[in-house]
Amino acid sequence: DAKTTQPNSMETNEEEPVHLPCNHSTISGTDYIHWYRQLPSQGPEYVIHGLTSNVNNRMASLAIAEDRKSSTLILHRATLRDAAVYYCILRDYNQGGKLIFGQGTELSVKP
Amino acid sequence: ETGVTQTPRHLVMGMTNKKSLKCEQHLGHNAMYWYKQSAKKPLELMFVYNFKEQTENNSVPSRFSPECPNSSHLFLHLHTLQPEDSALYLCASSQAAGGRNSPLHFGNGTRLTVT
Repeated sequence: DAKTTQPNSMETNEEEPVHLPCNHSTISGTDYIHWYRQLPSQGPEYVIHGLTSNVNNRMASLAIAEDRKSSTLILHRATLRDAAVYYCILRDYNQGGKLIFGQGTELSVKP
Repeated sequence: ETGVTQTPRHLVMGMTNKKSLKCEQHLGHNAMYWYKQSAKKPLELMFVYNFKEQTENNSVPSRFSPECPNSSHLFLHLHTLQPEDSALYLCASSQAAGGRNSPLHFGNGTRLTVT
């Protein structure tokens, strides 16, 4: 399974944008980049995914580097409810599309 | 409410007990999953079912026995567990296993303590 590298923790202020980085230098052409987050005492929650182009949805934006070796999850205006562990995951649909979690980034949001 | 319901939320059992965890989804999904989340460790994929057939067993010890009677229900039968099996057990579902536009929907888990 292709690996991802994320910072262990990040901190931001409420109502400010936050950029969560993810490195995946060994990504293959068939890997999709997925982001999930896990709020305290809850199961993980899907955030967004993409292959090559940048993606936007109601929760976040995903910026993918041109060489696909890194990506950034962007929360445009952090709220206290966004405090969670964010997971960047590569999903290879040619290998059954298994979702394999790493350690993730713990995001703290200060009021 | 995620659409995936797990019961019980908390379970304490002795090493000689037999218990079962239950997962139910009403999202019309055809794939269901069991994950284990131990303290300070990443989520570990345990089992995958696609259209009621088991398609993945990630080298899970036989003291964990999954059952998928239909696409809406998934069980994890537990027997002769060890204290190191104490963890949060998470169930998830998706439209189909490996589907490109098929994100996983997780329940809030069962917190298992083995004494």
